[in-house]
Amino acid sequence: QKEVEQNSGPLSVPEGAIASLNCTYSDRVSQSFFWYRQYSGKSPELIMSIYSNGDKEDGRFTAQLNKASQYVSLLIRDSQPSDSATYLCAATMNRDDKIIFGKGTRLHILP
Amino acid sequence: GAVVSQHPSWVICKSGTSVKIECRSLDFQATTMFWYRQFPKQSLMLMATSNEGSKATYEQGVEKDKFLINHASLTLSTLTVTSAHPEDSSFYICSAGDRGLSYEQYFGPGTRLTVT
Repeated sequence: QKEVEQNSGPLSVPEGAIASLNCTYSDRVSQSFFWYRQYSGKSPELIMSIYSNGDKEDGRFTAQLNKASQYVSLLIRDSQPSDSATYLCAATMNRDDKIIFGKGTRLHILP
Repeated sequence: GAVVSQHPSWVICKSGTSVKIECRSLDFQATTMFWYRQFPKQSLMLMATSNEGSKATYEQGVEKDKFLINHASLTLSTLTVTSAHPEDSSFYICSAGDRGLSYEQYFGPGTRLTVT
């Protein structure tokens, strides 16, 4: 059974610090990986996608993928109170295959 | 990124009635859309995969006769909750991806259903 595992948190990080979110996945053939942000009462919003080993940076966000260790992470630099949300890690094998979501990590940025 | 819309954004209905929720891909064609349900403070639960021109694929434990899915065109999928009951009250969200662009899936804004 394909699974994506995340620590549920909450993860509390001071404003301005780096928030580090981690995720592991069970299916070795997974090819595509995503991080979604979900605010309370809202639908998930795609913030990062990563397909190959290494780092991918977009503004304050950096996604890291290590397929050998089946590990994905998301770093948020200069954390802001507006970053407080639940972050969902997800994986899929191909375009039309369903995305397997983790249960999410709640992140609190402390002012 | 690709834009997905849902209608209505919220609906209140009486127990025993049916409710239809629409999911549209606004700027791309989607042969596959996904329907999720989320209860308060719980994680997303995939209900079914909607396939254009063919039957939907339901996840284990989801009643296909209660949650009717129709994907009649490349830009529209509908979810009908039939004979709704209070326990069907939830946040229903669809997602879709532009096959021509990437593997990414984009979510609609969701529909909050309250059954009284």
